[in-house]
Amino acid sequence: DAGVTQSPTHLIKTRGQQVTLRCSPKSGHDTVSWYQQALGQGPQFIFQYYEEEERQRGNFPDRFSGHQFPNYSSELNVNALLLGDSALYLCASSLWTATYNEQFFGPGTRLTVL
Amino acid sequence: AQTVTQSQPEMSVQEAETVTLSCTYDTSENNYYLFWYKQPPSRQMILVIRQEAYKQQNATENRFSVNFQKAAKSFSLKISDSQLGDTAMYFCAFMKHGAGTYKYIFGTGTRLKVLA
Repeated sequence: DAGVTQSPTHLIKTRGQQVTLRCSPKSGHDTVSWYQQALGQGPQFIFQYYEEEERQRGNFPDRFSGHQFPNYSSELNVNALLLGDSALYLCASSLWTATYNEQFFGPGTRLTVL
Repeated sequence: AQTVTQSQPEMSVQEAETVTLSCTYDTSENNYYLFWYKQPPSRQMILVIRQEAYKQQNATENRFSVNFQKAAKSFSLKISDSQLGDTAMYFCAFMKHGAGTYKYIFGTGTRLKVLA
């Protein structure tokens, strides 16, 4: 049973560029959430997708956008990168209708903005 | 809005000893979950233990147990017989309960080092 997978593992970009991160949920899961974890901090919720729609959003600017595909995989896009966007980006998957919605995390994508 | 506070940025413990990590939270919700996650250098967030707020009994998973004080909004993690593999960042997290999937609210973490 494959867990949550994310690609790429590491990414280096320069300020102003755009980046796309990818996530495949755990088998059987239909909901994907994205978190940003700055160095030395706890993860911060960016947004969540279910049925290809954004269901919840955290306090992040519109430069952060996402998409969910019919196979439940998801992308996180960040435009006009800033130095402060350097962080570990974590994807977590869950099952929307489960009584207990534990979220399973992927290994993350480390984004460095120079 | 919910908040989670971990007041111990770093802790260390001798191998085989017991250590307790603290977490407090603030919420007006009555039904919610609390979690402790472990994040080793490999970065993978691993669920250590969870507690449903409506359960009075403290959760236990092998060497890991919690002290859940709902009125005080306190949720500490006790690690018994500490092992070198327990060295990691530990995050306390809150999630409200209900239909759909809700976001986790994480604390800032406690870096635990187990000493040989």
